[in-house]
Amino acid sequence: DVVLTQTPVSLSVTLGDQASISCRSSQSLEYSDGYTYLEWYLQKPGQSPQLLIYGVSNRFSGVPDRFIGSGSGTDFTLKISRVEPEDLGVYYCFQATHDPNTFGAGTKLELK
Amino acid sequence: EVQLVESGGGLVQPGRSLKLSCAASGFTFSDYNMAWVRQAPKKGLEWVATISYDGSSTYYRDSVKGRFTISRDNAKSTLYLQMDSLRSEDTATYYCASQYWGQGVMVTVSS
Repeated sequence: DVVLTQTPVSLSVTLGDQASISCRSSQSLEYSDGYTYLEWYLQKPGQSPQLLIYGVSNRFSGVPDRFIGSGSGTDFTLKISRVEPEDLGVYYCFQATHDPNTFGAGTKLELK
Repeated sequence: EVQLVESGGGLVQPGRSLKLSCAASGFTFSDYNMAWVRQAPKKGLEWVATISYDGSSTYYRDSVKGRFTISRDNAKSTLYLQMDSLRSEDTATYYCASQYWGQGVMVTVSS
């Protein structure tokens, strides 16, 4: 199975700071069709997860442009510029390139 | 407004069965692959199964293969998860997901 390693496990930030989360895969996530099925989700406290980024760098409908996904192959990053209170929660990366699909273990973003 | 509403969860004894449903509205259900994802209490997310938009292909994690069956009825815009031979380690909140996620339904497997 593909293992997604997220770092850091937790991240303490001040509102307005930038935050960066890494997701490293044990195998390349580029599919044979050339697409990379790497997504990012945010689970706010007490809520269902919500899609932020798909295809490495495409923001989902309604996601603010302070969320920026990047990377290729096995190395991916989610950057959040100017963290706001509604950004707090647990971030997960997810790959749907390989079967079985897998999630990273999560990164908790909290206030300092 | 997009809505995914799961139902069918509850407390069940080990070895018994349960069938989850997910009623979709607000988008063209038949255009999208759909998945079930679960989250054990205080744990991370775990992909369970995916079904293609037309129901022709299904995929499962190893631990549920042969016990769980994902299906869909596009005429009713509804996704299903038949869960047989349930084990204590299947205890979790189960989410129906596409680009949007439902609110989740709790399944507890215990004697």
